[in-house]
Amino acid sequence: QLVLTQSPSASASLGATVKLTCILSSGHSRYGIAWHQQRPKKAPLYLMTITRDGSHIRADGIPDRFSGSGSGAERYLTISSLQSDDEGDYYCQTWGDGIEVFGGGTKLTVL
Amino acid sequence: QVQLQESGPGLVKPSQALSLTCTVSGASINMGFYWSWIRQRPGKGLEWIGYSHNSGISYYNPSLGSRGTISLDPATNQFSLKLTSVTAADTAVYYCARRNCLDGYCPFDHWGQGAQVTVSS
Repeated sequence: QLVLTQSPSASASLGATVKLTCILSSGHSRYGIAWHQQRPKKAPLYLMTITRDGSHIRADGIPDRFSGSGSGAERYLTISSLQSDDEGDYYCQTWGDGIEVFGGGTKLTVL
Repeated sequence: QVQLQESGPGLVKPSQALSLTCTVSGASINMGFYWSWIRQRPGKGLEWIGYSHNSGISYYNPSLGSRGTISLDPATNQFSLKLTSVTAADTAVYYCARRNCLDGYCPFDHWGQGAQVTVSS
């Protein structure tokens, strides 16, 4: 079964760097994923795709403070020079044969 | 610039059908994308409902059973969601989104602002 696992919460200080993780279920380590940001009370915003070889394809208009990578079954979103505006929920998404899956989301707090 | 906007009743009675429309601008729904609905229950994460393609392909979340239908209307460049036999558990913010597949990667790359739907008598 295709499942994405995310830690429920993360925190980091203003100006620091944070790395969020999304883990693909067993047998699905070669899948690509997408990352979405959801600021409080707002609609999700597509940030980037992480390919099966661990490279990233950033969406138009997303600053290069946001980057992505992957290793094995793990896919990462790294945010550098953290700003207060980066606070919110971050969801990973993947796709299968006629199925779409979201991770449970990570709530990022900027201290 | 691609934009999506949901519209529809904000209140639906239990056992009735929920109907929402998504108006698309900046892209034609006949262009080969997958037009999707996603919802978010209060305080919860994102839940995929289903998507439809102009080729006639449609897929739905198995958890909905056969309650959901997504229809495309090229004449108005809109697509819609109908969810039957609703209960309080269907209370959520409903988002429409475009699923864009390229080289085997299929992110939801554009989202609507969301529409709150409450199921209550």
